[in-house]
Amino acid sequence: AQSVTQLDSQVPVFEEAPVELRCNYSSSVSVYLFWYVQYPNQGLQLLLKYLSGSTLVKGINGFEAEFNKSQTSFHLRKPSVHISDTAEYFCAVSETLGGGNKLTFGTGTQLKVEL
Amino acid sequence: ETGVTQSPTHLIKTRGQQVTLRCSSQSGHNTVSWYQQALGQGPQFIFQYYREEENGRGNFPPRFSGLQFPNYSSELNVNALELDDSALYLCASSLQGANGYTFGSGTRLTVV
Repeated sequence: AQSVTQLDSQVPVFEEAPVELRCNYSSSVSVYLFWYVQYPNQGLQLLLKYLSGSTLVKGINGFEAEFNKSQTSFHLRKPSVHISDTAEYFCAVSETLGGGNKLTFGTGTQLKVEL
Repeated sequence: ETGVTQSPTHLIKTRGQQVTLRCSSQSGHNTVSWYQQALGQGPQFIFQYYREEENGRGNFPPRFSGLQFPNYSSELNVNALELDDSALYLCASSLQGANGYTFGSGTRLTVV
């Protein structure tokens, strides 16, 4: 089974500063990787995903992530954060399940943007 | 296109009771997956339904069961509720074989 490790449970950052949220995965086969954001009392919203092709993936709200196969990482970055980016962020890997797929999530990183 | 809708949004049940949660999938999607998200944790895969049959299951006991209907909507049923079943239950729809998932806003279940 695949697994995902999010190394930081909380990341405080000042507004307009850059941020990186770390994610490492374990897999011996081709992987499909995702970042989701969850605002309080809401479901999950897809930020971006890596399926194949370019290792630098751009997503919504100015976020991007880089797939690094040798380091089994998929870190999420944003060059300048805003107060509205305060939320929980989840990294996930897709795993084959019968004829379909399932997502295995990390434990999440709470991003807190301060003035 | 419509997104994934879940009902109810909040629910309080007593230990030992049974509960049914509902999910309408996004238009064009034929697969529904259910996840349990305990407080402060990442979502955990419960099971997936495709063509009205269970298509894979996570590490959850048999008292967690589900259904999928011809219109691709789905239900999650939990029998003999336990306090630890208190969580946010998320439904995600997708197209079988594809890697695109749309999540609903979830049902917050509290077991007292």
